[in-house]
Amino acid sequence: NAGVTQTPKFRVLKTGQSMTLLCAQDMNHEYMYWYRQDPGMGLRLIHYSVGEGTTAKGEVPDGYNVSRLKKQNFLLGLESAAPSQTSVYFCASREPNEKLFFGSGTQLSVL
Amino acid sequence: KNEVEQSPQNLTAQEGEFITINCSYSVGISALHWLQQHPGGGIVSLFMLSSGKKKHGRLIATINIQEKHSSLHITASHPRDSAVYICAVRALTGNQFYFGTGTSLTVIP
Repeated sequence: NAGVTQTPKFRVLKTGQSMTLLCAQDMNHEYMYWYRQDPGMGLRLIHYSVGEGTTAKGEVPDGYNVSRLKKQNFLLGLESAAPSQTSVYFCASREPNEKLFFGSGTQLSVL
Repeated sequence: KNEVEQSPQNLTAQEGEFITINCSYSVGISALHWLQQHPGGGIVSLFMLSSGKKKHGRLIATINIQEKHSSLHITASHPRDSAVYICAVRALTGNQFYFGTGTSLTVIP
């Protein structure tokens, strides 16, 4: 039982490049979230999903896309990376009325 | 506008001291979470509570729904408690969480 696994852990991109972050959970959770964490700010919600095949926008969705084709996986895509997307990204999952489980984070730098 | 406010932002304590971190929120909630983040590390959920008090080892979390306030206490603090502690609330409506900016705790031996 690995919990929530995020890949990659580190990535450096050039402005305009694209990439996909993968989040996988083996707890059969319905709800999955993508957050970004920036210095001096609380975690901010990018997109979330309440079940397979569903996604919804969070607080800061611009420049990101997501997909939840399988219940256990939640992908976050950056189509054309910008320096403002330099951040630490966290995936999380939960069951209704249960606590959050977080991945170990992805440190992304966009040059 | 921050829906969740934590205090203090930074806290330094001597080993063995009793520590309190406070969290106030402005929205109606279904649950409040306390999270722990070690430097360079992931985020771990310590408590989820919607009323009263919970205890796990040296950690105690309380919530007062009427006053929209929660506290996290650490008894007999230890250097391994050094971390950022984050308060998060799950709003009554929707599936979103609101997060505080965290309290950075350093416990000195």
